[in-house]
Amino acid sequence: DVKVTQSSRYLVKRTGEKVFLECVQDMDHENMFWYRQDPGLGLRLIYFSYDVKMKEKGDIPEGYSVSREKKERFSLILESASTNQTSMYLCASSIHYEQYFGPGTRLTVT
Amino acid sequence: GENVEQHPSTLSVQEGDSAVIKCTYSDSASNYFPWYKQELGKRPQLIIDIRSNVGEKKDQRIAVTLNKTAKHFSLHITETQPEDSAVYFCAASKDGNQFYFGTGTSLTVIP
Repeated sequence: DVKVTQSSRYLVKRTGEKVFLECVQDMDHENMFWYRQDPGLGLRLIYFSYDVKMKEKGDIPEGYSVSREKKERFSLILESASTNQTSMYLCASSIHYEQYFGPGTRLTVT
Repeated sequence: GENVEQHPSTLSVQEGDSAVIKCTYSDSASNYFPWYKQELGKRPQLIIDIRSNVGEKKDQRIAVTLNKTAKHFSLHITETQPEDSAVYFCAASKDGNQFYFGTGTSLTVIP
């Protein structure tokens, strides 16, 4: 059974803080993704990675960066959190097109 | 880039009736169309998918149809049950890297 885990279910941060969200998958998947989910907007891709140290921008990369130093781990970084980054963040990994999602991190920036 | 539109945004059906959710896409190069179900407070889970070389796929009470010419695909749920209540998302991808999601349909099955 594929397992995708995220470091926190809930996070509260202050404006301007640096925030790290971590995602780990245990199935040796090449591809990993970070999405944010907002009501009425569905899931929007922030970044994805198809290999260690490789990354590609998605639709909404502004204000975010990512790191993939090991195959199983993909981190999302908010360099200076802002209130408009309050959202649900979902990580996913995939093989042969099929995506498996983590449980999500609900981030609140105050 | 790809643009996926999903309708309706909310859908209520009586238990036992059928539910249909429709999506359109813009990029004719898209070749993979998954559907995800997200129950309240849980992660999205893949329930069915279809590739562009197939017109229809069924899995028990769930079916997906694809019309490549019209660039639309639909999810059909028959004999709906209360546990089918959830938010459903369609998506499209042409390379397995970039996935474009619809905005979701909140389905309520009334007992």
